[in-house]
Amino acid sequence: GAVVSQHPSRVICKSGTSVKIECRSLDFQATTMFWYRQFPKQSLMLMATSNEGSKATYEQGVEKDKFLINHASLTLSTLTVTSAHPEDSSFYICSARDDRVANTGELFFGEGSRLTVL
Amino acid sequence: AQTVTQSQPEMSVQEAETVTLSCTYDTSESDYYLFWYKQPPSRQMILVIRQEAYKQQNATENRFSVNFQKAAKSFSLKISDSQLGDAAMYFCAYRSLYSGAGSYQLTFGKGTKLSVIP
Repeated sequence: GAVVSQHPSRVICKSGTSVKIECRSLDFQATTMFWYRQFPKQSLMLMATSNEGSKATYEQGVEKDKFLINHASLTLSTLTVTSAHPEDSSFYICSARDDRVANTGELFFGEGSRLTVL
Repeated sequence: AQTVTQSQPEMSVQEAETVTLSCTYDTSESDYYLFWYKQPPSRQMILVIRQEAYKQQNATENRFSVNFQKAAKSFSLKISDSQLGDAAMYFCAYRSLYSGAGSYQLTFGKGTKLSVIP
């Protein structure tokens, strides 16, 4: 099956620094990827839709300048949390749509990245 | 906008018994996908089962089956012969079939935590 790899799985950083999280589709091309945020014991909240070669589409309330998304290739999307603060600490999950089976509706998820900002 | 409601924050089932997780949704669309995803303690989201709204037949996948009631906008998941490995958070999700902006996004319910008692 389609595999999505997310890296790093855990990251701890100091307040004010920037952190980059990568999401890679390993065995398929993904024109579209999604970034979610999940707080403890809560559901996944869509942050943005990442489209290869174009600007990401952000959900209402998500700061574009704080959560920078780049989708420079068909297999890689990155989320950069800029000037991170403790309230940005969360679990971030990416998912990707396999271009070959887009009509099935299924999305494939990465393992998630736990960000802790001190 | 579509909404997905899971009214059971937590459920428990004896090993080898059957349990049903509830999900209702609200939409004005006639065609869409519905999914059940499983999130074990590892946090990796795993697709359990998928249902296309235009199909009247309920989807089944081994021990997992759904009761899809389109008119009632209900999509429950039945797990038969529950196993210890079934313990996880279960999320019901909706995806529009519309291929416009925002397509392929998943809208998740808040989740149901399933415990399996040995």
